[in-house]
Amino acid sequence: DTGVSQDPRHKITKRGQNVTFRCDPISEHNRLYWYRQTLGQGPEFLTYFQNEAQLEKSRLLSDRFSAERPKGSFSTLEIQRTEQGDSAMYLCASSLGLSYNEQFFGPGTRLTVL
Amino acid sequence: AQSVTQPDIHITVSEGASLELRCNYSYGATPYLFWYVQSPGQGLQLLLKYFSGDTLVQGIKGFEAEFKRSQSSFNLRKPSVHWSDAAEYFCAVGYNNNDMRFGAGTRLTVKP
Repeated sequence: DTGVSQDPRHKITKRGQNVTFRCDPISEHNRLYWYRQTLGQGPEFLTYFQNEAQLEKSRLLSDRFSAERPKGSFSTLEIQRTEQGDSAMYLCASSLGLSYNEQFFGPGTRLTVL
Repeated sequence: AQSVTQPDIHITVSEGASLELRCNYSYGATPYLFWYVQSPGQGLQLLLKYFSGDTLVQGIKGFEAEFKRSQSSFNLRKPSVHWSDAAEYFCAVGYNNNDMRFGAGTRLTVKP
C-alpha cells in the first residue's frame, strides 16, 4: 500500500504524559499537513510542511505541540503534558506540487487522554 | 471571516433515492472547493473538486457538485444512492495553497 500511513492508530494516555505520533506520507509528496478532528466536527488545520520546512502553524497549535519533518519524508507530532482537551483524532495528509493539489489523508491516530 | 457551513448534521435517504448535501461558504474571492467522504476507520477520500471553469463538476462514485457563486454554495448530488454511500461527508474550502477549512460534516444514513 503506497498511501499515507500513521502510527499508532490508537493511543490512550494519562493526563500530563507526552505522546508522539508518526506520519509517513506518499513518497513523492513534498507537502505534509497535520489536522485535528474532534467528534462531530470536521478536520481543523494544525500545521503544514513543504519538504522539511514548517511553513505555517495554526493558532490551535499551542506551545505544548511540536511537529517535525527532519528529512522531508516522515513527520512526527508531539504533544507534551497532555490535557483531556487534546483527546481527538489527529490526521495527516500529503500532497504534491506547488499549486493547490489534492491532499491524501491517512487513517488518523485517535488519542484518548484520561 | 472565512467559514464553511454544512446545514444538515444528519440525512437519511432510501437506497435508490436521490441525494443532495448542502454546503455554503463565506470567502471574499473565488475559493477552491472540495467534497471529501470519510467512512468509519478510513481516511478522508476526495470525491471531487472545483477550481475554475465549468461550475458542474463530476467526481468519483457517481457524485457531482455544482458551484453557484451567487448563492456561495457547492452542493453535492447523486441521482441514486447505494447502501455503500453511507458515511460522513465533508465540504472543504481552500483559501490559499496551504489552508483548507472543513465544514462540520453531514452524516448520511441509507435505508434499505
